[in-house]
Amino acid sequence: DVKVTQSSRYLVKRTGEKVFLECVQDMDHENMFWYRQDPGLGLRLIYFSYDVKMKEKGDIPEGYSVSREKKERFSLILESASTNQTSMYLCASRIQGVNYGYTFGSGTRLTVV
Amino acid sequence: GQQVMQIPQYQHVQEGEDFTTYCNSSTTLSNIQWYKQRPGGHPVFLIQLVKSGEVKKQKRLTFQFGEAKKNSSLHITATQTTDVGTYFCAGMIRAGNMLTFGGGTRLMVKP
Repeated sequence: DVKVTQSSRYLVKRTGEKVFLECVQDMDHENMFWYRQDPGLGLRLIYFSYDVKMKEKGDIPEGYSVSREKKERFSLILESASTNQTSMYLCASRIQGVNYGYTFGSGTRLTVV
Repeated sequence: GQQVMQIPQYQHVQEGEDFTTYCNSSTTLSNIQWYKQRPGGHPVFLIQLVKSGEVKKQKRLTFQFGEAKKNSSLHITATQTTDVGTYFCAGMIRAGNMLTFGGGTRLMVKP
């Protein structure tokens, strides 16, 4: 069964901390995505990656960066966490060039205090 | 940028009643996908529609893609408590490109 694994289910960090959210997929998918989900706002795309070492900004990249050094791993970095980054973060992956659905991880609920 | 709007935001139904959620895009779509997110869970892919006017069924769920490929709907016949969750549509402008998600419709079913 295909799997997208996010390293933490719940995370509490202090304002100003550097935060790493990790995502690993075991399906050899080229495309990977980071979304945040907030009540009433749905899923908003932060960053995505078409392949290793490649990254593209999504709709709300401010305050975030990403790293994709290996195909299976896509990391989301909050350089200096702020309270407005408290949210549910969802990682997803997909086969490149084929219109299949996304496979999502279970999510990381991040609270910045 | 591309926008995908979804209505209603919330819907309460009595078990056995029908339910419909609607999705509208500001631009013509290459395809549209639907996802279901159970409470406390993550979105799970349900289906993809590609052709203009396409209709697909999954048991009690009926999915439609508009003729102009700018709108879509999901209809559930005779809801059950297992249908509870948030239903998202997600549109793609060009094949192979990224998805833009609608805001979701949260369905609550009273037994």
